Amino acid sequence: LAKTTQPISMDSYEGQEVNITCSHNNIATNDYITWYQQFPSQGPRFIIQGYKTKVTNEVASLFIPADRKSSTLSLPRVSLSDTAVYYCLVGLQTGANNLFFGTGTRLTVIP
Amino acid sequence: GAVVSQHPSWVICKSGTSVKIECRSLDFQATTMFWYRQFPKQSLMLMATSNEGSKATYEQGVEKDKFLINHASLTLSTLTVTSAHPEDSSFYICSASIPGSRTQYFGPGTRLTVL
Repeated sequence: LAKTTQPISMDSYEGQEVNITCSHNNIATNDYITWYQQFPSQGPRFIIQGYKTKVTNEVASLFIPADRKSSTLSLPRVSLSDTAVYYCLVGLQTGANNLFFGTGTRLTVIP
Repeated sequence: GAVVSQHPSWVICKSGTSVKIECRSLDFQATTMFWYRQFPKQSLMLMATSNEGSKATYEQGVEKDKFLINHASLTLSTLTVTSAHPEDSSFYICSASIPGSRTQYFGPGTRLTVL
């Protein structure tokens, strides 16, 4: 699976838009990009998934350039409750394929 | 949405005893489930892939005789930590996917503390 690289941590004030970028230079043709959110002592929660261009749902947007070697998770108007660790994963996620987590990005939202 | 549960949510045991953790997919059938371990302030580490009706596949460095995995039905996988020691204390998380889906759904995790 493609290895991912993310910033270790980020700080943001409440109400701001936060963009977290993930690098995945070795992404394969069939790989999808998925982002998860994890709060302390909880399992990761699915945020968004995409293959190319832009995907938007009720909580976030995912921007993927044409070469797909990186992706950016965009969280609009963050609140204190968005303080968490965000993981970017790349790979096939069907059947017996595995998921490998990188270091993740620890986002701290400041009042 | 797809829901995955784990039981127990936390467990404390004495060194040398065995502990079983259950992972259930509540509203879907999962042919494959995954088990992860997470130490404080660290990322999730994949331990093994649990396949319904067949043997689990363990990641390199994970002792299959210590971490017994059974996936006897399409909605239940169990992880048994045998002869637990303090270094096995960790947060254990399972995940499952709906067949044909590209999304993993994670359980809430089980905190294991070995005294």
